[in-house]
Order: sequence, then structure tokens, then C-alpha cells
Amino acid sequence: KQEVTQIPAALSVPEGENLVLNCSFTDSAIYNLQWFRQDPGKGLTSLLLIQSSQREQTSGRLNASLDKSSGRSTLYIAASQPGDSATYLCAVSGSEKLVFGKGMKLTVNP
Amino acid sequence: NAGVTQTPKFQVLKTGQSMTLQCAQDMNHEYMSWYRQDPGMGLRLIHYSVGAGITDQGEVPNGYNVSRSTTEDFPLRLLSAAPSQTSVYFCASSLLNTGELFFGEGSRLTVL
Repeated sequence: KQEVTQIPAALSVPEGENLVLNCSFTDSAIYNLQWFRQDPGKGLTSLLLIQSSQREQTSGRLNASLDKSSGRSTLYIAASQPGDSATYLCAVSGSEKLVFGKGMKLTVNP
Repeated sequence: NAGVTQTPKFQVLKTGQSMTLQCAQDMNHEYMSWYRQDPGMGLRLIHYSVGAGITDQGEVPNGYNVSRSTTEDFPLRLLSAAPSQTSVYFCASSLLNTGELFFGEGSRLTVL
């Protein structure tokens, strides 16, 4: 059974730092991996989708990489801002339906 | 485009009552799904559909029914609400060929 882990569960950093968020999964036979952002009381917003044939995707200050063989993905946030404060979730699609990690709560302090 | 629209946003029910959570999308997505989100449990799939007339169970289907009569709509029915169904419910949809999932804003349900 696919398991998706995000460690740590929470992170607090000063504004301006470059951040790396980690996501690991146990079954490397995946179709894609998606990173989401969730603000308090809101739904999930798709940030980046990486297909299994891709190694990385970029959008603005965000870059996500995928290493299927090691079962890992990282989300890189450059020059973090207070507006980046949110919970970030990764989700993996494979033989099972989309399996979510429990998320990492990020706080960027001014 | 409105994206994925869920109604109602908030609902309080008494144990044993029934209700329907509505979900509509205007992106012509084949895939639609319902999740519940609980503290410490993350997001769990309740039911999903890959097209009109086709539905299937997810990880936690008990106590919930769905139907998909049109591409746009995917309602979630609680037949006899229980306190264990207190949760935040999210509807999500995607194209089958890309898999990029789009979520609604959520429906917060409390069962007393």
C-alpha cells in the first residue's frame, strides 16, 4: 500500500530564506506527483504537477523535483515571503487512487 | 470559469438526518471525487467517478452514496448522519489524461 510522508510536520522560518520541503513515498510505480497549498479554512490549490516521465517542474519561485527510484520529491521555494505561509501537501497517483501526505505547515515570519 | 463549486459551505445536522452535498464543475473534467479531511488523518477518498454513469468506492465509502448523471455534477449523499461524519468535505475534479486535481472550497459538516 502506498504511503506518503512529509517531514517535518511544521516549519517556521524568517522571511527571505530559500526552503526545501520534502515528500517521500513507498511505491515508485507512480503516474504523477502533485504539490498543493492549503490556506486555513480553504480548499487545496494545485501548485505543480510532475508526470512520472518528468524530473522537475517550475512555476515562478517554486521548483519541484521528482526522483522515482528513491521515492522522493522536493518542493523548493525561493526567497520565502510571509504570503507563502500555508500548509503544503504532496499527493501521489499510482495503482491506488491519489494518496496524500498529511502536509507540512509553513510559517514565514516577517 | 467558476472551477469546482461546492454547496453548502457550512451545515449542522442532527444524528439520523440525511442531506446532500452538492458539487459542480464547469471544466468538462471526466474525473470527479469526494474527500474528507480530518485532523491527524489527512485527506481520505470517499467516492470517485471517471465519467457520467460510472462511480466507485474509495477508502472510506461507508455511510455515503454518490451518483453521476451528468459530467458536471457529482453530489454526495449522507443517508443517516452520524457524529463520526463530522468533517470537512472536499470535491475535486481533473481531466483523466493530465491528472491535475482541482479542489472546491470545502463544506464543513457538523453532526450533533
